[in-house]
Amino acid sequence: DVVMTQSPLSLPVTLGQPASISCRSSQSLVYSDGNTYLNWFQQRPGQSPRRLIYKVSNRDSGVPDRFSGSGSGTDFTLKISRVEAEDVGVYYCMQGTHWPWTFGQGTKVEIK
Amino acid sequence: QVQLVESGGGLVKPGGSLRLSCAASGFTFSDYYMSWIRQAPGRGLEWVSYITSSGSIIYYADSVKGRFTISRDNAKNSLYLQMNSLRAEDTAVYYCARVGYYDSPDYWGQGTLVTVSS
Repeated sequence: DVVMTQSPLSLPVTLGQPASISCRSSQSLVYSDGNTYLNWFQQRPGQSPRRLIYKVSNRDSGVPDRFSGSGSGTDFTLKISRVEAEDVGVYYCMQGTHWPWTFGQGTKVEIK
Repeated sequence: QVQLVESGGGLVKPGGSLRLSCAASGFTFSDYYMSWIRQAPGRGLEWVSYITSSGSIIYYADSVKGRFTISRDNAKNSLYLQMNSLRAEDTAVYYCARVGYYDSPDYWGQGTLVTVSS
C-alpha cells in the first residue's frame, strides 16, 4: 500500500498568519493517464470530512481561495494564506492513484 | 443539494453482524460510484470499500475482505454495507461517501457509529 506521511502532525498558527502542511507519498502518484490523484480534506471538530482540493491543486466549489494545493510526484503541500478561526480542524491528504486509497495521519491545525 | 444519511450503527458483540445503510438524495445516485470510509475513535481515516455505479466492480480493504459486503440499490437510491464477523478493531464511525469526478470522495454523510464490544 502507498504510505502517506504528513508533517507536521500539529500546527499551532496565529490568526491571519500563513500555514503549510506537507504530504509525502511512498510512491509516485502520477497515474497512467497523466493525472495525479492527490486530494486534501478538512475535518472540523465534530464534523464529517469535507474535500477541499482534488488532483493536487483544484479547489472544490465554495472553498475559499486562501486554500491552495501544490506539488508533484511524491511531494505535496497544502497552504492556507491567512488562517481564520473557522480553519481549525484536522487536515488529511489522500491518494487515489493506487488501490487501496490511503490517507495521511492528519495534521491538527489550532489557533495559538 | 447532495445529502447522504447513514443508519444502522450500534453496539454489537465480537463475531456479530450489522448492516449499514446510506440513503442518498440531491443527485442521480445511479450515475455515481460510492464508497465507505471509516474512522476509529480519535484516529484517522481508513478507506473500507468502493462500488461502481452498476455494482459490477467492487473493491475492499484487506482489513475487511471476506467479512464485509458492499452493495447498492439504484432504484432505492441506497448504499449498503453488510458487516459480518465483527472485531473490536472494526469499532469506528462509518461514513458513506459519493465518489465524484476525478475518482475521489466529494460528499460525505454524517457517519454512523459502530461499536464492537462484549
